Amino acid sequence: QQPVQSPQAVILREGEDAVINCSSSKALYSVHWYRQKHGEAPVFLMILLKGGEQKGHYKISASFNEKKQQSSLYLTASQLSYSGTYFCGTEQKGGSEKLVFGKGTKLTVNP
Amino acid sequence: GAVVSQHPSRVICKSGTSVKIECRSLDFQATTMFWYRQFPKKSLMLMATSNEGSKATYEQGVEKDKFLINHASLTLSTLTVTSAHPEDSSFYICSATDRYGYTFGSGTRLTVV
Repeated sequence: QQPVQSPQAVILREGEDAVINCSSSKALYSVHWYRQKHGEAPVFLMILLKGGEQKGHYKISASFNEKKQQSSLYLTASQLSYSGTYFCGTEQKGGSEKLVFGKGTKLTVNP
Repeated sequence: GAVVSQHPSRVICKSGTSVKIECRSLDFQATTMFWYRQFPKKSLMLMATSNEGSKATYEQGVEKDKFLINHASLTLSTLTVTSAHPEDSSFYICSATDRYGYTFGSGTRLTVV
């Protein structure tokens, strides 16, 4: 089942913050976050495995809620290089390691 | 970190011909690799799971006779698009897992004319 990502698009000025959400109707084994620039392959950002987990560094971090059905990606003090499309990929519990990706969130950071 | 090499990066072929795309894990062994397809401004859609030494597992709606997957070694999986048609034009990306997570190849942009 494809996870639901929101919002679909965000436009920021450099230095502003953003939150991207990813949710599933079922408990997940893991959530992966990727950023993709136009014409390029996705680049891995981080993976969350445990309910209640938070990880990342102070500018880009993510959380996984206790029920393991929702994850959020936090972009703080955004930079121009943060522009791109962000995808969450989810792995179902008991799954075969395959990731199902959300539809993506297009982030544009303007000067 | 883990590196996945994918070739070619771009290919243009004539309708009716076949195209082979290679995906190699350079510094680790990958018993499982995944093939995705991405249309412009769309998400990555999983096509199949490639298993070393056994048949690939295809997602619903993916024609296994059209998209042939071979995973002959722990470092190489290939996707062959057979009898390509213009509607097969897309961005194809492979990924492999290691202990750090998933690593994607650089993708192959296929254009069928």
